[in-house]
Amino acid sequence: AQSVTQLGSHVSVSEGALVLLRCNYSSSVPPYLFWYVQYPNQGLQLLLKYTSAATLVKGINGFEAEFKKSETSFHLTKPSAHMSDAAEYFCAVSRAGGTSYGKLTFGQGTILTVHP
Amino acid sequence: DGGITQSPKYLFRKEGQNVTLSCEQNLNHDAMYWYRQDPGQGLRLIYYSQIVNDFQKGDIAEGYSVSREKKESFPLTVTSAQKNPTAFYLCASSMYRTSGNTIYFGEGSWLTVV
Repeated sequence: AQSVTQLGSHVSVSEGALVLLRCNYSSSVPPYLFWYVQYPNQGLQLLLKYTSAATLVKGINGFEAEFKKSETSFHLTKPSAHMSDAAEYFCAVSRAGGTSYGKLTFGQGTILTVHP
Repeated sequence: DGGITQSPKYLFRKEGQNVTLSCEQNLNHDAMYWYRQDPGQGLRLIYYSQIVNDFQKGDIAEGYSVSREKKESFPLTVTSAQKNPTAFYLCASSMYRTSGNTIYFGEGSWLTVV
């Protein structure tokens, strides 16, 4: 079984400050990990994904995430927040291989607020 | 443009009625999915289909039904048996047979029971 825990349902930062959104996963097999962003009343857009290549993954809009197997974490960071980053962010895990691949298990989501 | 189209964007349902949400994709993806989103609960998988004429229940399939008669279409019916259908519904698709393929999402449909 797989699960994802996002620490903090709401995160607030100032414009220009570091963004850190936390994600821990549980998986009995090597996972694939994803971060998605959702703007109000819209679908989800992929920010980045980890598929067992480099542990530091760079995504769109200046975001990156580091896969740490020892900590079972995949935290999302951005050095300098922009007002346009305000949205809800979802961490998700899928099982590598097997019959369940392609299905995602999502965290609860973290709403990021950016203050001027 | 290639993508996933969901319709309608907003739908109101009376108690006891069945409603169908449409999902069409022109990405030539094999797999399609329906997720339900409730505030503070993330997304939960309702049904998924990996090939035409085949589909499987997800984590919360009770009160829902689907069909997959064409590769590009995966409609979701919310039946009167679904006790709390008010939610945001997201259709998604991906290539099949390769782990880690990105799942792409449509813009979503809001269903409200009145």
